[in-house]
Formats: sequence, structure tokens, C-alpha cells
Amino acid sequence: DTEVTQTPKHLVMGMTNKKSLKCEQHMGHRAMYWYKQKAKKPPELMFVYSYEKLSINESVPSRFSPECPNSSLLNLHLHALQPEDSALYLCASSTLGGGPKNIQYFGAGTRLSVL
Amino acid sequence: KNQVEQSPQSLIILEGKNCTLQCNYTVSPFSNLRWYKQDTGRGPVSLTIMTFSENTKSNGRYTATLDADTKQSSLHITASQLSDSASYICVVSARDYKLSFGAGTTVTVRA
Repeated sequence: DTEVTQTPKHLVMGMTNKKSLKCEQHMGHRAMYWYKQKAKKPPELMFVYSYEKLSINESVPSRFSPECPNSSLLNLHLHALQPEDSALYLCASSTLGGGPKNIQYFGAGTRLSVL
Repeated sequence: KNQVEQSPQSLIILEGKNCTLQCNYTVSPFSNLRWYKQDTGRGPVSLTIMTFSENTKSNGRYTATLDADTKQSSLHITASQLSDSASYICVVSARDYKLSFGAGTTVTVRA
């Protein structure tokens, strides 16, 4: 099973709403990632978790709050977002380390629209 | 600054024809290079991954090449199919888990 499952597939929220994106993998990967992708642009790294601990925060605004409750789950809590935060949010997972076996497997993404 | 540049930005080919996509990078120290296929609105899917010692790797009708000396890679699609229409992203990894993404080449296959 090389699947990374993201829910929901689509999300529309107002600027005062609080919502959460969810990501799940059962490949035993100990590194999990959140990316943001705008249309026709490559994914931009937001957060990296390794061994359920936040290891990289790419200066992401605090209205995005990641959480890794266990080794299989990764959440992204959203609060007071802006319309410019509308994008495809991708979750990925991989083994740890930068070697050739470290393939990042991506989920299908959550298409977020902020009104 | 680590950079990955892809060309062309987009291309249109007829079904059954071949095409080649290019990727130049300046990532250092180099660990590996991957090609991903991304369908519209979906997450990227890995096609190939190569280390500096590998010159070529195939995955079905996809063949990737790597010249670590010139820091160039190519992805060749043979006998294209309509399902090959997608964005193809070159991703280079330094010796950690941070990836440098190219902007992608959008391939449109027409019947």
C-alpha cells in the first residue's frame, strides 16, 4: 500500500471559520509533510514532521497550525484564513534521510477555497 | 541557491508520438533526481528516481536520463497516450529530505 489519503477533497470556508485538513498513511513512514500548491506552480514546502515532531516550519503564518497525533496521521488546522490562501494542499510521507530510497509519496490533495 | 529549471514550459503532441522534456539543476550537494507526473488537481506521482551514478532509468513508456556532470536530466515519453496529458515535474533532492521542485512541463496529448 503506497497510498497517502487526504480528506476532504474539497473545502470551502469563510475567513472566520476554523477547519482541519487530514492526512493518513500506513506505510510506516516517519516523515510527513505539508505542501501548498498554487495553480501552475510547483508545490511549496510548509511543514515537515519527523518522528511525530515538527522539524521544519518554512515561516508559515500562524493561521496554519500543523499537528501530528501519531505516526500515521497528520492534520493541518486552519483559522482566520485569507482568500490568497486558496490553493491545493498536499500531504506527503517518506522514510527518513535523503537517500535514493527516500521517495515522497503524495496524497491527492485538498482543494481549498477561502471566501 | 538551489534551482531547478524545466523546458519547455508546455508542449502539445499527437497521440502515438514521442517527446522529450528537459531539466537543468544547480542543487548541491546532489543526492537524487526524481520525475513526478501530476494530473490536474491531483497529487504528484513518482515516475523515476535516479542517483548520481545512474545514467538512465525506465518506467514503462517513460525513460529518464541523468548527466550528473552537466547537471541535466531528460524525460522521454514513447508512443504517447491521451492519459499522458499532465504536468511533469523534475524534483532534485540535496542530502536531506528537502526537495527543490521545477515549475513543471505541461504536456497535452491530442488524438
